[in-house]
Amino acid sequence: QQQVRQSPQSLTVWEGETAILNCSYENSAFDYFPWYQQFPGEGPALLISILSVSNKKEDGRFTIFFNKREKKLSLHIADSQPGDSATYFCAASADNNRIFFGDGTQLVVKP
Amino acid sequence: GPKVLQIPSHQIIDMGQMVTLNCDPVSNHLYFYWYKQILGQQMEFLVNFYNGKVMEKSKLFKDQFSVERPDGSYFTLKIQPTALEDSAVYFCASSLRLGAAETLYFGSGTRLTVL
Repeated sequence: QQQVRQSPQSLTVWEGETAILNCSYENSAFDYFPWYQQFPGEGPALLISILSVSNKKEDGRFTIFFNKREKKLSLHIADSQPGDSATYFCAASADNNRIFFGDGTQLVVKP
Repeated sequence: GPKVLQIPSHQIIDMGQMVTLNCDPVSNHLYFYWYKQILGQQMEFLVNFYNGKVMEKSKLFKDQFSVERPDGSYFTLKIQPTALEDSAVYFCASSLRLGAAETLYFGSGTRLTVL
């Protein structure tokens, strides 16, 4: 059973638009949700994260919106840049370090 | 930022052979992990390791897999013997502490191709 699901599988936006990446999860015990950014040929790197006690986390152009009741969250990338083109993984964990990853959303930002 | 180094970046071997993947974690980190990624898709947890011992492993961590970090050197993943389905990118990660909100730092991966 997949613990973390992401949609869409791929997303294309124009430079300057807001990209919205969606994520949902199954396990109510999850309380920490990191988003990882992965460029081709590289390992995932932590981009931004949120704890379940919050419903919003902002870091520059990146914002996480979190809905605990619906077990959903989303990553909004404002003013998207071509350099943001990458695969974004939503992840979740409980009280240990075992992180469950979603399948990823491949984002392409066209200039 | 902190770097995790993985050597080699790509390895090709024949089915049935043994392979060892090497990871040089962040210097002061204490917890180490291996993840498996197939075709650029979902990262799947294999194992975590602390103080010389496996703490937790998933169903993907078959009997043919083993991990160790002898004398604080490389953290290694050994597969013996290898099978075709072991072809994937293997990512090593490390963290300073154990905890849900602790940041994992990943290496750039070793692409393993089993022929």
